[in-house]
Amino acid sequence: SQQGEEDPQALSIQEGENATMNCSYKTSINNLQWYRQNSGRGLVHLILIRSNEREKHSGRLRVTLDTSKKSSSLLITASRAADTASYFCATDAGAGGTSYGKLTFGQGTILTVHP
Amino acid sequence: DSGVTQTPKHLITATGQRVTLRCSPRSGDLSVYWYQQSLDQGLQFLIQYYNGEERAKGNILERFSAQQFPDLHSELNLSSLELGDSALYFCASSVDPRGEQFFGPGTRLTVL
Repeated sequence: SQQGEEDPQALSIQEGENATMNCSYKTSINNLQWYRQNSGRGLVHLILIRSNEREKHSGRLRVTLDTSKKSSSLLITASRAADTASYFCATDAGAGGTSYGKLTFGQGTILTVHP
Repeated sequence: DSGVTQTPKHLITATGQRVTLRCSPRSGDLSVYWYQQSLDQGLQFLIQYYNGEERAKGNILERFSAQQFPDLHSELNLSSLELGDSALYFCASSVDPRGEQFFGPGTRLTVL
């Protein structure tokens, strides 16, 4: 079973527009990570945000985390056709010792950016 | 290129057979993870190794087993294959289990 729910399931936008994807989860987490997957290929790590952080930026990416609402959002600004991919959030509910690293993935958001 | 390699890229086999998937982690990464991605179950964590020792198990079937060798490469063994085992199998590695994971390109398994 999956911990995360992602919203929307699919998003279609024009180049230059911003894309926002949301992720909700159920249990307490150590960190939340966002990954990108191009059509059936390997996942590429985008950004990691720890439970004591509220916002992180990386280039055109901005991630927020609200642990009280158990939710996160990924914003891609000024999107490009090359951003077309599936985006997954993954949570690590590790709570100490050797329990870290077991990621639970959401079902993903399919982003299509039209040139 | 993540630095994680997986072989083979594609595998087609019949029900009841046994296959071995191989993964080489990034240089220096002690943690290796296996995931299964299918249309109906999505991305599921299978098992984690750290420096040769099993650390965590997910919903891994008893027909599946894995190991991590002294040179840190890992193998995932799938036996008594069923049609439902058809999926993409990913290996990932990390230097720190609390950090980001680097995924290999995957092995696409088709069971006929």
